Amino acid sequence: KAGVTQTPRYLIKTRGQQVTLSCSPISGHRSVSWYQQTPGQGLQFLFEYFSETQRNKGNFPGRFSGRQFSNSRSEMNVSTLELGDSALYLCASSVDINTEAFFGQGTRLTVV
Amino acid sequence: AQSVTQPDIHITVSEGASLELRCNYSYGATPYLFWYVQSPGQGLQLLLKYFSGDTLVQGIKGFEAEFKRSQSSFNLRKPSVHWSDAAEYFCAVVPYNNNDMRFGAGTRLTVKP
Repeated sequence: KAGVTQTPRYLIKTRGQQVTLSCSPISGHRSVSWYQQTPGQGLQFLFEYFSETQRNKGNFPGRFSGRQFSNSRSEMNVSTLELGDSALYLCASSVDINTEAFFGQGTRLTVV
Repeated sequence: AQSVTQPDIHITVSEGASLELRCNYSYGATPYLFWYVQSPGQGLQLLLKYFSGDTLVQGIKGFEAEFKRSQSSFNLRKPSVHWSDAAEYFCAVVPYNNNDMRFGAGTRLTVKP
């Protein structure tokens, strides 16, 4: 069974640009969550999508957005990138609420 | 406020020694509890989880954790550490009926030969 796949693995962007990250969940998983990991703030919840609807949202500015497609694949978008957006972005998929979450390898975003 | 605390930022143990990593949570009701491990530059791998039932939970790689409601704790243990266990360990909680997973700050484990 294939795991959670995140693409790309590494990205370098310039301040002010926008970026889109992709996450393909495990087959049969309808919940996809996104997390930001930085040395200073640790792991922080961004948002969760279930059946194409955002079900939960963390405390991040509106520059961070996401969506989910009918095949459960999810994308997150960050607009007007700031240096502080440099982080490892992790995606996790699960069957539904309160079931174990499986994480992808992450996308390392560097903003210069 | 809801929070997850891992009091130890960094722990060093000798190979073959026992290990205990601490985790305390502060939630209104008992949440679902998890331990994850992360190697440098990698994603998170689930070690074990507690949803309900037996308070001593067995996980992968020889790890176990004990849920203690009275202490709001979910400590991770391993009787004999291997050099390959060196990594960062995260305790995580999810409230009931929610997928907003909150993580502790992590404990970095170093294993001495």
